Amino acid sequence: GESVGLHLPTLSVQEGDNSIINCAYSNSASDYFIWYKQESGKGPQFIIDIRSNMDKRQGQRVTVLLNKTVKHLSLQIAATQPGDSAVYFCAENRGSNYKLTFGKGTLLTVNP
Amino acid sequence: GAVVSQHPSWVICKSGTSVKIECRSLDFQATTMFWYRQFPKQSLMLMATSNEGSKATYEQGVEKDKFLINHASLTLSTLTVTSAHPEDSSFYICSARESAGKETQYFGPGTRLLVL
Repeated sequence: GESVGLHLPTLSVQEGDNSIINCAYSNSASDYFIWYKQESGKGPQFIIDIRSNMDKRQGQRVTVLLNKTVKHLSLQIAATQPGDSAVYFCAENRGSNYKLTFGKGTLLTVNP
Repeated sequence: GAVVSQHPSWVICKSGTSVKIECRSLDFQATTMFWYRQFPKQSLMLMATSNEGSKATYEQGVEKDKFLINHASLTLSTLTVTSAHPEDSSFYICSARESAGKETQYFGPGTRLLVL
């Protein structure tokens, strides 16, 4: 079935390095994508979103890239900090019902 | 802004009892609220969509008689797990979407349910 998935289940980086977390989606009808950060025992926290009519969007230390040709989404975190350690989920929305489909998640570990 | 709360944050109950979880949008009116469950080291799975003043829409495989959802106001939705069993133990998370036209969902902190 159609789903949102991730290439890497775990990612370990050194503090100060840049991190790139990837996500593949299979439904070309998806028109809205969101990245969430989830720390242990907490609910997901909104990081950044992007619509399908864009291919790049920047926030504070984060950038989301969307490649509709290959149905690929990535989250770039600049100067990764220990506080960035968490599980990162991509989610897609398609249609008008606003329901989100979540990917499997990537565990990001930042080593001091 | 856009804060969502859940109560309780954790609950332990005996098998066969019912548990009610509240989800509140604190600083905005939520046209739609969503309920998810998450097992350890897994992703979030949507259980149901709750619109204020109407019946909830359940995802395939989710028993509506077991997971009762009430969305009585634009700031409150409740999920009641009826006749809970150990396999219902999970992390339950709600999210809320602002009024029409806004897609961003804001998530609550989650409620951890342990059924003994």
